Amino acid sequence: GDSVTQMEGPVTLSEEAFLTINCTYTATGYPSLFWYVQYPGEGLQLLLKATKADDKGSNKGFEATYRKETTSFHLEKGSVQVSDSAVYFCARGGGFNKFYFGSGTKLNVKP
Amino acid sequence: SAVISQKPSRDICQRGTSLTIQCQVDSQVTMMFWYRQQPGQSLTLIATANQGSEATYESGFVIDKFPISRPNLTFSTLTVSNMSPEDSSIYLCSVEGTSGSGPEQYFGPGTRLTVT
Repeated sequence: GDSVTQMEGPVTLSEEAFLTINCTYTATGYPSLFWYVQYPGEGLQLLLKATKADDKGSNKGFEATYRKETTSFHLEKGSVQVSDSAVYFCARGGGFNKFYFGSGTKLNVKP
Repeated sequence: SAVISQKPSRDICQRGTSLTIQCQVDSQVTMMFWYRQQPGQSLTLIATANQGSEATYESGFVIDKFPISRPNLTFSTLTVSNMSPEDSSIYLCSVEGTSGSGPEQYFGPGTRLTVT
């Protein structure tokens, strides 16, 4: 069935390190793809999105490119900060405006 | 984007009791969604609530356990009935939205429920 798979965490990095969080999806057709971020004690915030193949979503230094060949939407950031510590969720859109979420990846950034 | 508030932000409840969670949006929306996020896990959609009709529940969730109201286009409630410790979760309300590049979902801050 349709699903979203993302790399398990936690991911621990030092400040200014390069970040990659892998996400792959299965779906019929070409759904919109999203990354959400959940800071400690808060709800989910939309970080970035891409709606068609080869689109690149970007926000706050984070980027992700919609790759239909590999059905992937990996999240990257060139230089992470302590304030980026959060849980990151990959998601895909579905019919009737339903969203399907990955399991979440916790990122810990150490000073 | 939409601004969404939820009440209460957290609660500790005894097993066998019920809790009603409120979700308020600052604009009119057609569809509202209720999710459950169990500790350390991802989000699971409980139901979709449209104004003027009964909520549509996902597999594994039933109306008797999670009754939902949607009295108008800016408000919804989710009740967690006859609670057990397994219901301890964060409950999140979300709404659909659209931008120039397609549909999005916006989330409330969540209600952290602990059942003892």
